[in-house]
Amino acid sequence: AAGVIQSPRHLIKEKRETATLKCYPIPRHDTVYWYQQGPGQDPQFLISFYEKMQSDKGSIPDRFSAQQFSDYHSELNMSSLELGDSALYFCASSLKAGTAIQPQHFGDGTRLSIL
Amino acid sequence: AQTVTQSQPEMSVQEAETVTLSCTYDTSENNYYLFWYKQPPSRQMILVIRQEAYKQQNATENRFSVNFQKAAKSFSLKISDSQLGDTAMYFCAFMKPSNAGGTSYGKLTFGQGTILTVHP
Repeated sequence: AAGVIQSPRHLIKEKRETATLKCYPIPRHDTVYWYQQGPGQDPQFLISFYEKMQSDKGSIPDRFSAQQFSDYHSELNMSSLELGDSALYFCASSLKAGTAIQPQHFGDGTRLSIL
Repeated sequence: AQTVTQSQPEMSVQEAETVTLSCTYDTSENNYYLFWYKQPPSRQMILVIRQEAYKQQNATENRFSVNFQKAAKSFSLKISDSQLGDTAMYFCAFMKPSNAGGTSYGKLTFGQGTILTVHP
């Protein structure tokens, strides 16, 4: 079965650079979530989209932005990168998360390292 | 806001034995969902089991079962017949379903995680 696809798997950037992470949800899933997992920490919710509209927002810095496109893929844009942004970034998708409960399926994550 | 607490940073168990991981949570909601996710060294996030708060019956998935105590806000995971492949970080997670306006779609709030090591 198709899974959530994230690209790239690994990304190395320097401070003050920009980065774009991509997420392709499972086909027909209408909701996308982004999470940030720092070293040795639990995943923290950043932002979510339902039917291409932002549906919820968590602890996402103002330097970050995200959107969901017409084909339901999502991109997380990160600017003015800081050392503290080094983390594993997960994308997850689900179907009708607000009604009939469907679990979130996670991608393999993008490991972002800031030098 | 909801909080999830896993009080056991690390646990270990011998292969084929049983181990229980603890999780407590705090919420004022009456309807919600609870999950256990497994994160092996490969760093994938894998759903292990889920529980709907309105269901009194504890969820089971093969060797994995939960003890859901709604009044106590406790949600522990029992792994029976532990296998080497069960070695991983285990996260307990809480999800509030969509609100009445349909604008909040199920973000997960995770606990701090428990590192489980299964020894041969």
